[in-house]
Amino acid sequence: EADIYQTPRYLVIGTGKKITLECSQTMGHDKMYWYQQDPGMELHLIHYSYGVNSTEKGDLSSESTVSRIRTEHFPLTLESARPSHTSQYLCASSSLIGAPDTQYFGPGTRLTVL
Amino acid sequence: EDKVVQSPLSLVVHEGDTVTLNCSYEVTNFRSLLWYKQEKKAPTFLFMLTSSGIEKKSGRLSSILDKKELSSILNITATQTGDSAIYLCAVVNNNAGNMLTFGGGTRLMVKP
Repeated sequence: EADIYQTPRYLVIGTGKKITLECSQTMGHDKMYWYQQDPGMELHLIHYSYGVNSTEKGDLSSESTVSRIRTEHFPLTLESARPSHTSQYLCASSSLIGAPDTQYFGPGTRLTVL
Repeated sequence: EDKVVQSPLSLVVHEGDTVTLNCSYEVTNFRSLLWYKQEKKAPTFLFMLTSSGIEKKSGRLSSILDKKELSSILNITATQTGDSAIYLCAVVNNNAGNMLTFGGGTRLMVKP
């Protein structure tokens, strides 16, 4: 099982603030992902990365941006938070070898924008 | 566009009951189907099913893939209150790397 960490776990912030959600994994996984999940709804992929310096947008359009400067770290940034960004954000990672389809999830960050 | 539909949406049972959760999918080039359990926060991995591994079992949980019917079931026998969670099904399209397309989940509540 992967060790994958997200901070903060909960964040309540005012409109217009810049925020960064942190995600790190200690398993050396090449691929990392960000999902957005509203309560009772499906997970939607918003960003993913195949490795260092690789970032791609997912199926769901998002105003957030990501970076992948180190293998273990995949932060997500919102330049100007809005109430519509209120959601749960889940980070995941997977290995390119072994069972590449199996993604391991972090505990999530629940973001509330007032 | 790939699609995953889970049923029922929610289910309430009593401890000791057996439950069957369903997942049907439409995907252009199927590679694998995964089941996750989501309690309060992160989904935790349960099983992965592929053409070469259509049946998996772990303790009271088991899952079968029916490639002909484009579906999978997740069985939980002798349910316990700790089984209460949302169960998520996801598929991987061989044309899309290893991106997961998730269903909406089945919310299971097990009462004492």
